[in-house]
Parts: sequence; C-alpha cells; structure tokens
Amino acid sequence: AQSVSQHNHHVILSEAASLELGCNYSYGGTVNLFWYVQYPGQHLQLLLKYFSGDPLVKGIKGFEAEFIKSKFSFNLRKPSVQWSDTAEYFCAVNAPYGGSQGNLIFGKGTKLSVKP
Amino acid sequence: DGGITQSPKYLFRKEGQNVTLSCEQNLNHDAMYWYRQDPGQGLRLIYYSQIVNDFQKGDIAEGYSVSREKKESFPLTVTSAQKNPTAFYLCASSAQTGRTEAFFGQGTRLTVV
Repeated sequence: AQSVSQHNHHVILSEAASLELGCNYSYGGTVNLFWYVQYPGQHLQLLLKYFSGDPLVKGIKGFEAEFIKSKFSFNLRKPSVQWSDTAEYFCAVNAPYGGSQGNLIFGKGTKLSVKP
Repeated sequence: DGGITQSPKYLFRKEGQNVTLSCEQNLNHDAMYWYRQDPGQGLRLIYYSQIVNDFQKGDIAEGYSVSREKKESFPLTVTSAQKNPTAFYLCASSAQTGRTEAFFGQGTRLTVV
C-alpha cells in the first residue's frame, strides 16, 4: 500500500526566509504527485502537480517542487515566504497504474506559520 | 460557476443517529471521493467512486456508507456504527481517478453529541 510521510508537523519562519517542506512516499512504480494548500478557513486547493517530464515543477504563488525518483521524494520549496503563506500544506500521491487507482493518499500535513 | 458543493457546513447530531452529508459537483467529473480530516492526521480516504453505480472502500470505510446513483452526486452516510464520527468531512472530485488533480468542497463539520 502507498503511504506518504511529511516530516515536519509545524514549521515557523520569519518573512523572507526560505522554505523547504519534506515529502516522501512509498511506492515503487509510476506515481502522480501533488501538493495542496489549505489556508485558514478555506478549502483545499492545488499548489502544483507532477505527472511526468521535468522533475522540477513550478506552481502558483512562487512555489516549486522537485521530484527525485531515487529518493522517493517530492519536496516543496519557496525562496522567500510571506505572511500570507501561513497555511497547512499537504503532499499527496497516487499510483495511476497500481491496483488501487482511485486512492489519492495524503500525508498528515505541515502547518506553516510565517511571522511578519 | 463550476465547483463542488457540500452541505451543510455545520451539522450536529445525537449519538446513535445516522446522518447523511451531501456532495454535489457540476464539473462533469467521473471520480468522486470522501475524506475525513482530523487534526494531526491529515486526510484519510473513506470511499471513492470512479463511475456511477460503483464505489470502493478507502482506508477507513467502517461505519460509513455511500451511494453513486448520479454522476454529480456522492452522498456519505455516517452510521451509528462509526465509533468516533465527530470530524471534518471533505468531498472531492477529479476528471479521472488518480490521473488528474482533485478539486475539493468547503467541507462539513460534523459534531455528534
């Protein structure tokens, strides 16, 4: 079965600091990878996704993520965070050709607090 | 205005009662999902459906039931067999199961007293 690990439960940064949130998954085959964000009081929305091709993926609001197949990782990065980035971030993985094609599996989330 | 509508936003029920959460989408998506979100636990998959009249159990299906009689609707019933039903429930849909991104509704916060 697939699983997703997000190593940081809560990250606190000052504005303009750089951000890297870790995400590792366990599945040996082809995967689709996603980062979602949940701003306070709002619904989950997609930040970025990786299906194939260039392993460095750029998303909205200056976020990017790098897929490293050998490390089973899909870490999220942002060079300079803003107070408005305060939110909870979820990594998710799906194995489109695996036995459970419908399973979009989420990590436990990382809360990011940015101090102004 | 396309999207996913969950209703109600807040729901209170007495212990032992079944309750049904509504989820409607007008995105013409084939796949629909129900997740449960608890603090520190992320999103856990309850049920998903790839097509009308078909659905599959997720990781925590016990105490829940679903139906998919119409493409646009995927209601979730929280039964009295669910040991800890108080939670935030999220519905999502995607064009194709697992091959496109999922879009989420605003969620329903269920409190059982």
